[in-house]
Amino acid sequence: QVHLVESGGGVVRPGGSLRLSCAASGFAFRNYAMHWVRQAPGMGLEWVSFVSYDGSHKFYADPVRGRFTISRDNSKNTLYLQMNSLRAEDTAVYYCAQEHDSFDMWGQGTMVTVSS
Amino acid sequence: QAGLTQPPSVSKDLRQIATVTCAGNRDNVGNQGAAWLQQHQGHPPKLLSYRNTNRPSGISERFSASRSGNTASLTITGLQPEDEADYYCAAWDISLSAWVFGGGTKLTVL
Repeated sequence: QVHLVESGGGVVRPGGSLRLSCAASGFAFRNYAMHWVRQAPGMGLEWVSFVSYDGSHKFYADPVRGRFTISRDNSKNTLYLQMNSLRAEDTAVYYCAQEHDSFDMWGQGTMVTVSS
Repeated sequence: QAGLTQPPSVSKDLRQIATVTCAGNRDNVGNQGAAWLQQHQGHPPKLLSYRNTNRPSGISERFSASRSGNTASLTITGLQPEDEADYYCAAWDISLSAWVFGGGTKLTVL
């Protein structure tokens, strides 16, 4: 059974940094590409970033390119999102999602609040 | 990044048919096809279909998806109270090298 658990969210001041983690279990993590998707309060889904199964290919949404870095450690079955230079508009629930056919399985999300 | 266009809301009666549309362009929906996700309030999204018409195992046959040109559609038959949720389309955009989502459609079952 696929299980994804995000952690690392919290309250941070504008300009600050956070690192999110997504612990995966129940499937061969090393064989699957992964996404980060976020959802601001009361708003729709916004794709953030993608990493291929082996970490060799990475893509970013325009609003986060140059500030966020996606990575993975297949030996630890964990996906990461390093978020720097955070802005108020980055406030959202951040989900990790497994890519098999599409956005197949999702975690419960972790809340990031950027506020002074 | 330009997103996909969905109607903000759709309302239909119990046991009727609802269709949600998702308009894109030749670089996203028209090229790679679309996926559809369902999200109930306070819960993470759930994949309903992928690559236009495919349904993951465990998804009810009442949910069917299709594509015509640059527009994808999700049709839900025999509407049930539990179908009341937000529905999102998503597609890979080859020109942006990014995934794009629709703004979401809130389905109300009357």
